[in-house]
Order: sequence, then C-alpha cells, then structure tokens
Amino acid sequence: SQQGEEDPQALSIQEGENATMNCSYKTSINNLQWYRQNSGRGLVHLILIRSNEREKHSGRLRVTLDTSKKSSSLLITASRAADTASYFCATDARGNNRLAFGKGNQVVVIP
Amino acid sequence: GAGVSQSPSNKVTEKGKDVELRCDPISGHTALYWYRQRLGQGLEFLIYFQGNSAPDKSGLPSDRFSAERTGESVSTLTIQRTQQEDSAVYLCASSGEWVQETQYFGPGTRLLVL
Repeated sequence: SQQGEEDPQALSIQEGENATMNCSYKTSINNLQWYRQNSGRGLVHLILIRSNEREKHSGRLRVTLDTSKKSSSLLITASRAADTASYFCATDARGNNRLAFGKGNQVVVIP
Repeated sequence: GAGVSQSPSNKVTEKGKDVELRCDPISGHTALYWYRQRLGQGLEFLIYFQGNSAPDKSGLPSDRFSAERTGESVSTLTIQRTQQEDSAVYLCASSGEWVQETQYFGPGTRLLVL
C-alpha cells in the first residue's frame, strides 16, 4: 500500500491566512519530503525533514513530524495567491528504493 | 544549470498506437524515476533506474510499458498499443545516488489517447 497519504481535503482560504495540511504514513521512514505542483505539471521540492527532526522551517513554511503518530503537517503562513497549488508529501520507507507520494492536497488562495 | 527536460510536452494519439516519451535528467544525477499521474490523482511510481544497476520495474502496470536508459543519461518510456486508460501526465524525475535525496522533476508529458 502507498505511504504518505494526505488528508483528502481541498482547502480554500483568503490571502493572508494560514494553510495547514496533514500527511500520514504507515512504516518507518528515513525522511519525509513535501512537494508542490502547479497546474498538473512537474513537482517542486519544498522541504525535507529527517526522522530525527520534529520541526523545520523554510521561509513561510513550517513542517512538523511526529514519528510516534506517523504523521506530518505542512503550514504555510501568510498565504499568497501564488501559493495556489497541490501539495504532496513523500516518504522513503526504510529498505525501499523509492519515494512514495500521497494523493495531494489542493490549496486555493483567494486574493 | 539545466533542469530535467521532457519531450514531447503533449502527445495525442489514437488507441492502439505506440508512443515514446523522452526524459533528459540533470547531468550527474545517477537516479532516474518515471511516474504516472492521472487527472486529480497522486503520483504512481512506474520505474526506477540507478546507475548501471538493474532497474526496478515493479511499478509498470502491464507488459505494454517499457523503459530504457543508457548509462546515466537519457531515458525513454515506451507504451505499446496504447489504451484510453493510459491517458495521463507522465513525469520524470532525477536525483543523486540515495533515495532519500530530493527529486527534481521535469514538466511532464501530457498523453491523451483517443
């Protein structure tokens, strides 16, 4: 079964608000990554958090990882219209040689 | 430097025809991945190449799908006797040696089978 499954939500928020999305996975991992996809094309890497890290920041992004609950969250603060995209988490199961991507969360930021 | 490139950007074909999709990875990246993404869905792993090792083909959905890669360069994904359910965006990504590393994606090829 596929790891890295986001809560199946489409999020619509006003510009300036914060957006939070979650991801859960099933097996032990080395790290978890978040990617963004605009308009159904190539994905862009946002941030990587290692299994021994609990929180990581990059600009307006904040990622948390709870390995006991096998879950992660991505917070986008002070959202902008340009943040409108689909966001995917991806995990690498230990002993596996590939990333497993979740189904994605669609975020729409209304100007 | 140049990113991952894919060609063609869009491909429309008739059911039963063969198609070939191309991926040029980032120079120096030893790992190359192919994914399929149906409309509104997540990424479906197809195949993984790592250096000169035997590829991991476990994600290929049927024997109509095949892929090749010459060394650490260009890869081609071939779909024979296309079916309408093959319609999707096919994404290629490359990375360094370790699976834990960031993957860099190409823009994808949007395939429509009529």
